[in-house]
Amino acid sequence: DQQVKQNSPSLSVQEGRISILNCDYTNSMFDYFLWYKKYPAEGPTFLISISSIKDKNEDGRFTVFLNKSAKHLSLHIVPSQPGDSAVYFCAARDDKIIFGKGTRLHILP
Amino acid sequence: DGGITQSPKYLFRKEGQNVTLSCEQNLNHDAMYWYRQDPGQGLRLIYYSQIVNDFQKGDIAEGYSVSREKKESFPLTVTSAQKNPTAFYLCASSEGAEAFFGQGTRLTVV
Repeated sequence: DQQVKQNSPSLSVQEGRISILNCDYTNSMFDYFLWYKKYPAEGPTFLISISSIKDKNEDGRFTVFLNKSAKHLSLHIVPSQPGDSAVYFCAARDDKIIFGKGTRLHILP
Repeated sequence: DGGITQSPKYLFRKEGQNVTLSCEQNLNHDAMYWYRQDPGQGLRLIYYSQIVNDFQKGDIAEGYSVSREKKESFPLTVTSAQKNPTAFYLCASSEGAEAFFGQGTRLTVV
């Protein structure tokens, strides 16, 4: 059973608008949540993380929100840029790191 | 430069042969991981190691084996028992919350 779920396989957003990527999890023991960006045939690159004791973390254009009661987190990218087009993975950590299936983000000109 | 090195980038093997994928890190990280990526499947955890001489199975360990004799190295062997070995394999290491990835090895079994 999937412990980390990204239910939207793809998302298209106009350049300059906000991109919101969602992630749900089932294990309340996760202590950190992470977002990665990935291009084809490359390793994922770390974007931003959030501790389970926080509800928001911001880094430039990227903000992650955590709702522990709903076991839900989201990544906001604003403004969206063409270079943001990639696959985004949500991940959660206990003694290991578990990834979701990813959401492909298309930024439209 | 510090980082994680996976070699080779592309690997071809005949069906029935074992093959070992290399992963080396000079970040002095304790934890290391192997993931497999297939289309539409995301990254699935094969094995992980939190310390030298210790490792645990992930979600899809069947048909794979690992060793962790040195802190810097975590090689993955894809055995002939693995039913669908053709995939993109990713190695990562971590010290703290974030994991850092190598560039991956594309294994094709023909």
